[in-house]
Amino acid sequence: QKEVEQNSGPLSVPEGAIASLNCTYSDRGSQSFFWYRQYSGKSPELIMFIYSNGDKEDGRFTAQLNKASQYVSLLIRDSQPSDSATYLCAVMGAAGNKLTFGGGTRVLVKP
Amino acid sequence: GAGVSQSPSNKVTEKGKDVELRCDPISGHTALYWYRQSLGQGLEFLIYFQGNSAPDKSGLPSDRFSAERTGGSVSTLTIQRTQQEDSAVYLCASSSYRATNEKLFFGSGTQLSVL
Repeated sequence: QKEVEQNSGPLSVPEGAIASLNCTYSDRGSQSFFWYRQYSGKSPELIMFIYSNGDKEDGRFTAQLNKASQYVSLLIRDSQPSDSATYLCAVMGAAGNKLTFGGGTRVLVKP
Repeated sequence: GAGVSQSPSNKVTEKGKDVELRCDPISGHTALYWYRQSLGQGLEFLIYFQGNSAPDKSGLPSDRFSAERTGGSVSTLTIQRTQQEDSAVYLCASSSYRATNEKLFFGSGTQLSVL
């Protein structure tokens, strides 16, 4: 079992719709959870982090964390073509050092 | 500089040769990571440095890979006797590590091609 798992996609959504991305992790003691966005040929950039159970909203993005189910998700509301990218889930382990990434979900927003 | 700097940006080498990849983190950042990303794949953790602590080398794929960080700043990733499967983008990232939710700042990466 991979430490951090994501559906590779592509997840195709029409412009204006909600894109829903999921991530599961294996280390039950994990502390912090991150979503990075990576455009093709570019380096990842942080868009959200969450460390408490529940929802965290930032603009059009909402991160959701359920530690009991070892599940973290990202919702993108009012999806725009500029949101087309690969979204990487990353998990900080129990020891608070190594940041482990999932394989990423490719999102395509169609006008 | 203002960001994480990596050099070279591209490296083409022949199978069996050694290569060195360099990373200059953001000044003052104590945490430094190396990741590898193959085409269309996620980031594979290689090694992590935090201050003066012993590095976490658990992600290094073989003993051909090694890394050091001199003076708590610049880091060099060395791959000996390169193989074609080593071809990938090697990304370096740094953070200030004031808390476990510290943001990582990534460099632009080194595209390594082993012929």
